[in-house]
Amino acid sequence: DTGVSQDPRHKITKRGQNVTFRCDPISEHNRLYWYRQTLGQGPEFLTYFQNEAQLEKSRLLSDRFSAERPKGSFSTLEIQRTEQGDSAMYLCASSAPPGTVLRDTQYFGPGTRLTVL
Amino acid sequence: GQQVMQIPQYQHVQEGEDFTTYCNSSTTLSNIQWYKQRPGGHPVFLIQLVKSGEVKKQKRLTFQFGEAKKNSSLHITATQTTDVGTYFCAGRMRYNFNKFYFGSGTKLNVKP
Repeated sequence: DTGVSQDPRHKITKRGQNVTFRCDPISEHNRLYWYRQTLGQGPEFLTYFQNEAQLEKSRLLSDRFSAERPKGSFSTLEIQRTEQGDSAMYLCASSAPPGTVLRDTQYFGPGTRLTVL
Repeated sequence: GQQVMQIPQYQHVQEGEDFTTYCNSSTTLSNIQWYKQRPGGHPVFLIQLVKSGEVKKQKRLTFQFGEAKKNSSLHITATQTTDVGTYFCAGRMRYNFNKFYFGSGTKLNVKP
């Protein structure tokens, strides 16, 4: 169990550019969440995958945001035409399948800090 | 609007004093989780409460879930400097199991 990993850890981009982040969950975890966290706030839900299916997407998420989990393992989060308001920490978390011990526990990765200039 | 409210926003205590943070939801929760985030770190799971009126303890930490499953609290007895960090609650609504709503957190500072 190597934990949840995210890449890159930091990303600085110019307004209008596209960025893509990657999340590798704990290997046997079939549930994956993306969150956004700004300074002084709690994580804000963005989207949820169960295996490769995207089952929930926040209405706060504009159409500039898209997430995929093509093989039910790693996931990517893409932000198109970035804006300064997108600057935040993007966190990924994974959980074990239902029926397993601590199935609802969310294990968070270290996050990707995005700065949009 | 924000589904889960958490107070206070900040708490400064002297080492050895107690600390409590409160979480409230406008709707009934299925379950609630508590996380701790150290400065510069990511949230780390502490505990999950599921049953109405449930109380769980972890050493100096006591977690409670209200009878109506709309509120929860975390109480730390005799704080230590290692307790420094931000404590978040995260609630899952009865009508939607696919997402968690995090509170805004309570930032705890402990003076030695």
